[in-house]
Formats: sequence, structure tokens, C-alpha cells
Amino acid sequence: NAGVTQTPKFRVLKTGQSMTLLCAQDMNHEYMYWYRQDPGMGLRLIHYSVGEGTTAKGEVPDGYNVSRLKKQNFLLGLESAAPSQTSVYFCASSATLEAFFGQGTRLTVV
Amino acid sequence: GQQLNQSPQSMFIQEGEDVSMNCTSSSIFNTWLWYKQDPGEGPVLLIALYKAGELTSNGRLTAQFGITRKDSFLNISASIPSDVGIYFCAGKNYGGSQGNLIFGKGTKLSVKP
Repeated sequence: NAGVTQTPKFRVLKTGQSMTLLCAQDMNHEYMYWYRQDPGMGLRLIHYSVGEGTTAKGEVPDGYNVSRLKKQNFLLGLESAAPSQTSVYFCASSATLEAFFGQGTRLTVV
Repeated sequence: GQQLNQSPQSMFIQEGEDVSMNCTSSSIFNTWLWYKQDPGEGPVLLIALYKAGELTSNGRLTAQFGITRKDSFLNISASIPSDVGIYFCAGKNYGGSQGNLIFGKGTKLSVKP
């Protein structure tokens, strides 16, 4: 019962470095989402996808790119990390209604 | 863009008390969801609501989908220490390109034994 799996769980980056966060789901869900969670800000939607090969911008997309080449995977990329991107990142997937979340990736940019 | 206003931001209650929290939106949603997040974990779905006026229970939790489709309420009866956590409401529109799932900022619940 893997559900939604995020890798890595923790990462420290230097300003200007790039990295990719991977989200994988084994529930054959059409919808996938990337959120960031900051203290007092709740969960803010970065990008989402309504199916393989599609992506759309959410509330806070700047500084991030995404790709959904395979239905089960949703990648979040940071091309040039900034300290403002220090956060906990959550991936979620859903069929049409309920969304299920991964355990999160804690990213620190120094 | 769409925004959800969730209140209260935090609650400090005594064990055994009932809890109420709500979420309002400037937009109409087709689905309302309520999640709970424990420290260091991802949010876990508690209750899903699919149509206006719907009232759904899950154990001591009861949630309602507002008639206007712009609000939702969550009640917890007879709170216990393990109810501690952050509760989030979320609204969703689905179909076509409308796949986004928007969250409120959360209600942090603390329960004193």
C-alpha cells in the first residue's frame, strides 16, 4: 500500500542550485498536485496536473516548473533555488474527488 | 484567485468539550474536504462532502456542505487529546481543466487533558 511517495524526504540546497522533487502514486489517479506549506500560511498550491502530459499553474508557481510525462509521476523542479523556497513540500493525487497526500519533503535553502 | 477563509486560526479547549470550525469562500465549490495534519505528517482526509446541504459524520466528527456552496463547517464532539493537530478545509472543482484543490490556512487545535 504505497499510495503517494515523495523523494527525497529531506534536502539542503545552496542558493542557486537546482533540484527535482519526485512524486509517485500507484492509485492510477488522474489529478496530481504540488503544495508548499509554510508556518501560518497553510497549504498553497504551486502547480497541478489534470492528466498525463498536462500541467497548470496554481497560486504560487513562480520559481518552480513541473512535468507529468507519466501518469504515475509528477516532478517539481527548482531551477535556481532561493532562501524563500525553504519550505515543506507536499504532493497529492486524486481520482476526481478526495486527494491523498505524501509524507512531505523538507527543503532548506541556505 | 480563489481563497478560503478558515476560522478560528487556533483553539485551546478542555478535554471533553465540543469544537466547531468553519470555512468560507468567495467562490462556489463542487466538493468540500476536511483534513487533519499531525506534526511531521501529510494531511489525512477526514470527511468529504459532495453536494450542497449535505451533512456527513465520521465518528465524533460531523461536517456540513453549506447551501450556498461557499462554506463548510466541521464539528468535533467530546474532544480527546489525540484530536490535537491542524485541521484544514479544502474546496475542489473538477471536470475539464478545473482540477485545482484549494486549502484554507488551517485551525490549530490544542486539547488540555
